[in-house]
Amino acid sequence: GDSVTQMEGPVTLSEEAFLTINCTYTATGYPSLFWYVQYPGEGLQLLLKATKADDKGSNKGFEATYRKETTSFHLEKGSVQVSDSAVYFCALSDVGQNFVFGPGTRLSVLP
Amino acid sequence: DAGITQSPRYKITETGRQVTLMCHQTWSHSYMFWYRQDLGHGLRLIYYSAAADITDKGEVPDGYVVSRSKTENFPLTLESATRSQTSVYFCASRRTDRDSYGYTFGSGTRLTVV
Repeated sequence: GDSVTQMEGPVTLSEEAFLTINCTYTATGYPSLFWYVQYPGEGLQLLLKATKADDKGSNKGFEATYRKETTSFHLEKGSVQVSDSAVYFCALSDVGQNFVFGPGTRLSVLP
Repeated sequence: DAGITQSPRYKITETGRQVTLMCHQTWSHSYMFWYRQDLGHGLRLIYYSAAADITDKGEVPDGYVVSRSKTENFPLTLESATRSQTSVYFCASRRTDRDSYGYTFGSGTRLTVV
């Protein structure tokens, strides 16, 4: 079945550092790809998405590009802030299927 | 406000008790889901529903019961709570099953079984 693999972390960075969280997937079809963010004590919120190959999703300074050739959807941000500290989940969804979530990556940004 | 709300926010119950977690959404989304989140296991799907009166098992359904008599409500019942069901429970909804539509999550219920 479909699956999502992502670096589990924790990832600890200093403020203004560059962030990359790797995400790779396996899927039988042509899924849409998503990044969700979970701030402490809250539910998951959609951060960005991409629905087809070479699409770039972006939001709040975060970006991820749907790479079909490498089956990847890596999350990047050029300059992280303390307020970005959260758990980040990569996910995929095939048509008619429920979401498949990765295990989550905890990010801590130090001032 | 429109949205998806879960209640209670926190719950402590004793082993063997029945407990119901509530989930209510105001968008008339067709699909609703229950997940549990545990350290080391990420998010695991318990049950989901494609419409009123249609429910299906997810990855970890044992010990749980759901119902969906109305589109907007999707309660989750632990029939006889066990310590292994201590977890954070999230409800989510989705407009359709088209892959471009994401999930919207509630804020979660932290359940402790003692």
